Amino acid sequence: DTTVKQNPRYKLARVGKPVNLICSQTMNHDTMYWYQKKPNQAPKLLLFYYDKILNREADTFEKFQSSRPNNSFCSLYIGSAGLEYSAMYLCASSSGGGAEQFFGPGTRLTVL
Amino acid sequence: GDSVTQTEGLVTLTKGLPVMLNCTYQTTYSPFLFWYVQHLNEAPKLLLKSSTDNKRTEHQGFYATLHKSSSSFHLQKSSVQLSDSALYFCALSDQGGRALIFGTGTTVSVSP
Repeated sequence: DTTVKQNPRYKLARVGKPVNLICSQTMNHDTMYWYQKKPNQAPKLLLFYYDKILNREADTFEKFQSSRPNNSFCSLYIGSAGLEYSAMYLCASSSGGGAEQFFGPGTRLTVL
Repeated sequence: GDSVTQTEGLVTLTKGLPVMLNCTYQTTYSPFLFWYVQHLNEAPKLLLKSSTDNKRTEHQGFYATLHKSSSSFHLQKSSVQLSDSALYFCALSDQGGRALIFGTGTTVSVSP
């Protein structure tokens, strides 16, 4: 099974409220990623976990948090959603540098 | 910093015609280059991958050659099908060989 699952597929949130997105994979991949995709823009890496080590991009460091309680699951947490967080959030996993990344179908977050 | 450029936002063509999607990149290291395809409401899937200079890589009728001299990895197909209608992303892996840096994507629309 090479699928990456994401829940929920659609999420509606209010400004100022927290948001928690979930991703899972059963391929025993050591690395899990979160990307943000806005219309007409390239998917942008937010952060990734290599095993238990979290790497966050400098320009989104304070906006997103994540946890990886075990190898299969990874969450993306927004403490206080703003309108600018409305986007598609893609989760991916891979094993090894330069390896194929397997993507989930994404969670479309709309902040009102 | 590292970047990927895809010059076409939308390509429309008729079934049976050839297609070429441009991809150029900037980096100071020797990267992996990828093409991902995303059909409507589906997860992005790997189409092609290469790190070898001047070697053609092929999959599902698509092909691309990494040319390090011109920093290019253009995607081609000699005869498109209706099922090729999708969003195509070019990407390179960063210095750590893990996270992907994406281009903005090219939407291909094939008509009968």
